[in-house]
Amino acid sequence: NAGVTQTPKFQVLKTGQSMTLQCAQDMNHNSMYWYRQDPGMGLRLIYYSASEGTTDKGEVPNGYNVSRLNKREFSLRLESAAPSQTSVYFCASSEGGFFYEQYFGPGTRLTVT
Amino acid sequence: GNSVTQMEGPVTLSEEAFLTINCTYTATGYPSLFWYVQYPGEGLQLLLKATKADDKGSNKGFEATYRKETTSFHLEKGSVQVSDSAVYFCALLPNTGNQFYFGTGTSLTVIP
Repeated sequence: NAGVTQTPKFQVLKTGQSMTLQCAQDMNHNSMYWYRQDPGMGLRLIYYSASEGTTDKGEVPNGYNVSRLNKREFSLRLESAAPSQTSVYFCASSEGGFFYEQYFGPGTRLTVT
Repeated sequence: GNSVTQMEGPVTLSEEAFLTINCTYTATGYPSLFWYVQYPGEGLQLLLKATKADDKGSNKGFEATYRKETTSFHLEKGSVQVSDSAVYFCALLPNTGNQFYFGTGTSLTVIP
């Protein structure tokens, strides 16, 4: 079992460029999440998908879009990157909603210049 | 509102020392409380949790007790090892179950 995988591991973008962060899980989990981690702050939820076919905004959704492509995959898209989006992005999955243990991927370190 | 406050780091301890990382919370209702650990280069992993007052969560020698009267969930370990070097996050899940609230994290380094 690979668990939760994320690609890429590192990325540098120029302001205004777009990119998609990929996430996949092989645990047959229903729920998936995207968080960002910034220095001096805890993880903050960007978007989540409680089940295949549904997505909901989290605490900091502005500037992002998501797609739950199928049960395994949940992508995060930055349409026009800004320096404020420089962060480490974590994808997570759980069996069913927030009351279940979340399993995290290794993260993507994104720098926007 | 909901929030979590953790002690500032970094914390450096010698092997076999006693560890305490303080965590206090603000929440409406009766939240569940968690400690997550992040080893270098990895994602977060659940370390332990407690879902109601006076519950004690424990795992890998770590313990934390849910204290409603002091709104605290301090993490303790009696004898740390070099392999415990990591960043530790306290987190809260409100009883509405719609979002986690994480603390800022405490970096622990254990030296031989």
